[in-house]
Amino acid sequence: NAGVTQTPKFQVLKTGQSMTLQCAQDMNHEYMSWYRQDPGMGLRLIHYSVGAGITDQGEVPNGYNVSRSTTEDFPLRLLSAAPSQTSVYFCASSYSTRYEQYFGPGTRLTVT
Amino acid sequence: RKEVEQDPGPFNVPEGATVAFNCTYSNSASQSFFWYRQDCRKEPKLLMSVYSSGNEDGRFTAQLNRASQYISLLIRDSKLSDSATYLCVVGPYNDMRFGAGTRLTVKP
Repeated sequence: NAGVTQTPKFQVLKTGQSMTLQCAQDMNHEYMSWYRQDPGMGLRLIHYSVGAGITDQGEVPNGYNVSRSTTEDFPLRLLSAAPSQTSVYFCASSYSTRYEQYFGPGTRLTVT
Repeated sequence: RKEVEQDPGPFNVPEGATVAFNCTYSNSASQSFFWYRQDCRKEPKLLMSVYSSGNEDGRFTAQLNRASQYISLLIRDSKLSDSATYLCVVGPYNDMRFGAGTRLTVKP
């Protein structure tokens, strides 16, 4: 099992550009989520999904879109990048709400 | 006020020491509680879940106090490899809140 994979590992964008962060898991987990981690702050939930075709907003959803067409994949789209979106982004998956989350290795994004 | 609060540290302890971390949370309806560890520039990984009755895993003991809304982590006989940031996480899944983490450095 590869677990949770994320691509790319690093990305530099200019303000206003758009891009998609990829996330995939091979554990057949129903629950997937996206977090951002900023210095001195805990991970903050951006969007989450409880199954294919079902997504919902987390704590900081503005400027991001998600979709879940398959159980395995949960891409995160930045619509128009802003310097405030410079962060480390982690994707996670879980068997159910009462179980631990497994995290991908993260994407380090810089917006200039 | 933050949803989940942790002492940021750093905690600098010698090998073999016992160290304890506390974490307070504000949402009294929280149902899931975890401790994760995060090594520098890596993803968080589960250390242990926290159950109402308290639980132990080797050198690690976790406690939950619902009345006072805090969880704790005790590490006994610290090893150099325990050096990391420890994250307190409080659920439910659709509103998981992470503490900013407590940094631990274990020195020879």
